[in-house]
Amino acid sequence: EIVLTQSPGTLSLSPGERATLSCRASPSVSSDYLAWYQQKPGQAPRLLIFGASTRASGIPDRFSGTASGAESTLTISRLEPEDFAVYYCQQYGSSPEYTFGQGTKLEIK
Amino acid sequence: QVQLRQWGAGLLKPSETLSLTCAVYGGSLNFYSWTWIRQSPGQGLQWIGEIDHGGSTNYNPSLKNRVTLSLDTSKNQFSLRLSSLTAADTAVYFCARGLLTLAARPLDYWGQGLLVSVSS
Repeated sequence: EIVLTQSPGTLSLSPGERATLSCRASPSVSSDYLAWYQQKPGQAPRLLIFGASTRASGIPDRFSGTASGAESTLTISRLEPEDFAVYYCQQYGSSPEYTFGQGTKLEIK
Repeated sequence: QVQLRQWGAGLLKPSETLSLTCAVYGGSLNFYSWTWIRQSPGQGLQWIGEIDHGGSTNYNPSLKNRVTLSLDTSKNQFSLRLSSLTAADTAVYFCARGLLTLAARPLDYWGQGLLVSVSS
């Protein structure tokens, strides 16, 4: 089973700042098999990024994804008030086919 | 615009069977996978299983003995059955669409979620 570890657990920032969220896979997986989601309270997750760096339809370009080895990074260049939420990484592959990280909570400082 | 709408019983007793249905509006079942995911209160996301447009299924090994997914192409719906419920199955259940053609099989449309509580 592939385990995704997200860091930090909580990130406290102010609107306008840059957010950097990390997701490490063990064992390592190709970034092609990775995606990122945003979830707000009471809502379903929303797809942001897939294939580690491709933005989903309608996602603002302040969201970007990169990958290097076993680590993938989601960056939000300039935080807007609506960006404060929980973010999950996800991988698709060996059984269980989908696994998710434990989430990073992005909160207003 | 694709929409997924889900329904089913929200309060069940231990040992009962959960039955949820997800209807797909504004799109076809063809060429996608259809997935169920749950989220325990205050917890992360757990994948339950997926079924593709041809009816092939994959299940989370931790739930495999209790899960059945099915597809009704005539109604553009897919369903989840989870048997032998315990309190540990209390969660918000989501249905979602997976993009089969992409390696990450990302989930681009989701149902609204349904809280299922298991209590005697």
